[in-house]
Amino acid sequence: GEDVEQSLFLSVREGDSSVINCTYTDSSSTYLYWYKQEPGAGLQLLTYIFSNMDMKQDQRLTVLLNKKDKHLSLRIADTQTGDSAIYFCGRSQGNLIFGKGTKLSVKP
Amino acid sequence: DTGVSQDPRHKITKRGQNVTFRCDPISEHNRLYWYRQTLGQGPEFLTYFQNEAQLEKSRLLSDRFSAERPKGSFSTLEIQRTEQGDSAMYLCASSPGGIQYFGAGTRLSVL
Repeated sequence: GEDVEQSLFLSVREGDSSVINCTYTDSSSTYLYWYKQEPGAGLQLLTYIFSNMDMKQDQRLTVLLNKKDKHLSLRIADTQTGDSAIYFCGRSQGNLIFGKGTKLSVKP
Repeated sequence: DTGVSQDPRHKITKRGQNVTFRCDPISEHNRLYWYRQTLGQGPEFLTYFQNEAQLEKSRLLSDRFSAERPKGSFSTLEIQRTEQGDSAMYLCASSPGGIQYFGAGTRLSVL
């Protein structure tokens, strides 16, 4: 299987919470990341979490890390239409290793 | 701090031509990375510099690809004898160590 796996699509209604999930196979990474990519643009760093943490909250974003299950999630509270984008989970290995991205669609 | 800058944003070329892309990292970031992203995929690592030294190359970096960072500041990525399979977004990232900050990318189309 892939090193980092994500579901490809998520659709939510404006104002709801979005939860994007990611699993990975190698637990040696120091950092785990979430990046956002809008059409035709580069990657924008949203947030990151150290591998020795379980949770990190940053305004509307909450990251949960389950090291035992090698599972990372990103929760976006009060999702807005401007949150529509592709979200990439990544783990550090010097360079970054990414999943294929989850396309989040927010319906008004 | 203007962020990571990449030039050009778009490049259209004919198969067999050579192309060169430039990346200007965030000033004082000693680490610089190149990634390639094809449609529907996440970015894939190509190569990494620490200052002017190229420390790591991916197996994706065929001998038609060459990257330089001559003074430890900006970097160039050259593709010789382009092929249609080289069509992709080429992303540059810089880092002071740890978190990587990405540029907007150069989209290459090989006709």
